[in-house]
Amino acid sequence: EAGVAQSPRYKIIEKRQSVAFWCNPISGHATLYWYQQILGQGPKLLIQFQNNGVVDDSQLPKDRFSAERLKGVDSTLKIQPAKLEDSAVYLCASSIRGVDGDTQYFGPGTRLTVL
Amino acid sequence: GQQLNQSPQSMFIQEGEDVSMNCTSSSIFNTWLWYKQEPGEGPVLLIALYKAGELTSNGRLTAQFGITRKDSFLNISASIPSDVGIYFCAGQRGGADGLTFGKGTHLIIQP
Repeated sequence: EAGVAQSPRYKIIEKRQSVAFWCNPISGHATLYWYQQILGQGPKLLIQFQNNGVVDDSQLPKDRFSAERLKGVDSTLKIQPAKLEDSAVYLCASSIRGVDGDTQYFGPGTRLTVL
Repeated sequence: GQQLNQSPQSMFIQEGEDVSMNCTSSSIFNTWLWYKQEPGEGPVLLIALYKAGELTSNGRLTAQFGITRKDSFLNISASIPSDVGIYFCAGQRGGADGLTFGKGTHLIIQP
């Protein structure tokens, strides 16, 4: 079974530029999550989708971050304009309902460096 | 946003030693999970705990869900070189909710 796919793997931009990340979840997984992982810390949830609807975006900095999952499958996360403090790894995860709960499977992440 | 209190921050051990790390929270979680992350990869689930007091093993790994629902620990017995990595605890309130992570325990094994 193919895992969660993310692209690009690495991105370097200058502050105030825009950037977009793409995620393709595991086939059949209805729930998709975007996390931000700053160096030396654990991942922090940015946004959660159930199919194409937003379930939780309470920690998403909405003045500069946006995300969409138009057809309930792939998702994109955008930052516009980027700040230095946005340098981090952006992880996508997907999950499917199990007997005990939803197990989240993570992609390899996109490492963003803002100069 | 909240992060869980995970300790120790790093561990330097000899191959063959046992390892213990723990995680505490000021609030209750209904599920506790332990993940391992290696360089350039996303976190991989090691153990999931669904009931307070539950003790679960996965090979050389054993984890427990604290009775108060505010803590969990992970033990690794007889460490081997491939155990090197960063271990994260995570708490989850509802079955499909996003996860709240600790800051990680960096495990380093000295030859």
